[in-house]
Amino acid sequence: AQSVTQPDIHITVSEGASLELRCNYSYGATPYLFWYVQSPGQGLQLLLKYFSGDTLVQGIKGFEAEFKRSQSSFNLRKPSVHWSDAAEYFCAVALNTGTASKLTFGTGTRLQVTL
Amino acid sequence: NAGVTQTPKFQVLKTGQSMTLQCAQDMNHEYMSWYRQDPGMGLRLIHYSVGAGITDQGEVPNGYNVSRSTTEDFPLRLLSAAPSQTSVYFCASSYPGQPQHFGDGTRLSIL
Repeated sequence: AQSVTQPDIHITVSEGASLELRCNYSYGATPYLFWYVQSPGQGLQLLLKYFSGDTLVQGIKGFEAEFKRSQSSFNLRKPSVHWSDAAEYFCAVALNTGTASKLTFGTGTRLQVTL
Repeated sequence: NAGVTQTPKFQVLKTGQSMTLQCAQDMNHEYMSWYRQDPGMGLRLIHYSVGAGITDQGEVPNGYNVSRSTTEDFPLRLLSAAPSQTSVYFCASSYPGQPQHFGDGTRLSIL
């Protein structure tokens, strides 16, 4: 069965600092990969997705992620964090685009931003 | 656009009671899903549907029923609530092959 690991439960960064959130997946083939963000009391908002093609994908709010097949990773990055980025971030995978309704999520990374 | 609408937003039940969590989307999405979110466990798929009249089980289906009689609605039923079903429930929808859009969730407590 596919699985997703987000090794960092909680990360604290200073406003203006760079950010990298880690995501590793376990699956025999290349899955379809997503990053979602959840603000307190809210639903999940899609930041970016990778289906195929260029392994560096750009998302909303200045986020990007890089797919590395050799490392089974899909890490999320942002060059300069804003206080409004404080939230919980989830990496998710799907077997293929046809099953994008069947997502497997990581356990999430809570980001705290200090001023 | 309303997007994905979940009702109620909060609910408290007693063990053994039944209830239905409602989910409606106005984007004509074929795919709809239900997830539960528990601390430290991320979101886990309960049931999903790829179109009206078609449903299937996800990772944690026990204790839940679903039906999909229309494209717009995908209710989740708890027939006999248990404390282990205390959670936050999210409904999501999408076009085939596209990322899911999530509702704001229903926070359910079972005493």
